[in-house]
Amino acid sequence: DAGVIQSPRHEVTEMGQEVTLRCKPISGHDYLFWYRQTMMRGLELLIYFNNNVPIDDSGMPEDRFSAKMPNASFSTLKIQPSEPRDSAVYFCASSLGAPGNGNTIYFGEGSWLTVV
Amino acid sequence: RKEVEQDPGPFNVPEGATVAFNCTYSNSASQSFFWYRQDCRKEPKLLMSVYSSGNEDGRFTAQLNRASQYISLLIRDSKLSDSATYLCVVNFVNDYKLSFGAGTTVTVRA
Repeated sequence: DAGVIQSPRHEVTEMGQEVTLRCKPISGHDYLFWYRQTMMRGLELLIYFNNNVPIDDSGMPEDRFSAKMPNASFSTLKIQPSEPRDSAVYFCASSLGAPGNGNTIYFGEGSWLTVV
Repeated sequence: RKEVEQDPGPFNVPEGATVAFNCTYSNSASQSFFWYRQDCRKEPKLLMSVYSSGNEDGRFTAQLNRASQYISLLIRDSKLSDSATYLCVVNFVNDYKLSFGAGTTVTVRA
């Protein structure tokens, strides 16, 4: 079975450019999460969706970050304009039901972003 | 104070050794607990859930101490393949988010 699929796997971009990260959750999962991981801050939840609806975006660092989920099989995380401090690994994850209620979160392989 | 705190390690142990480490959480209303494993440059993957009564999965044993608000992970008979970062994960009551610790790095040497 296909897991969570993310693209691109690696991206190097210049400061000020727009970055769009994409995610396809596991089919049938109704929760989708975007996490960011850095050495300094570890794994941080940026936003999560339930049935395509954003539920909590309190982790989104700034207005430069936006996320959408137009349908059950696709989500994007956009950074515009990008800055060097946005360099991190961005993980998309999905779960069949509410995390913690016996439902496992499955992570994609991550998008490694470097902003120079 | 962070919601979930872990000793970052690294714990360097020889093959066959036993290694154990803890994770503390700040919210006494925490509901669910997990250990995730993350290999270098890979995504986190669920290792095991942690139940109130404690649970074991092969060489791995997880314990929960609600009174002192910590969970533990013990690895027996360490293998080289156990080298990874182990993330403590906590879910709080009425909150569908999972909070991740920064991870404890374990390195098993031959």
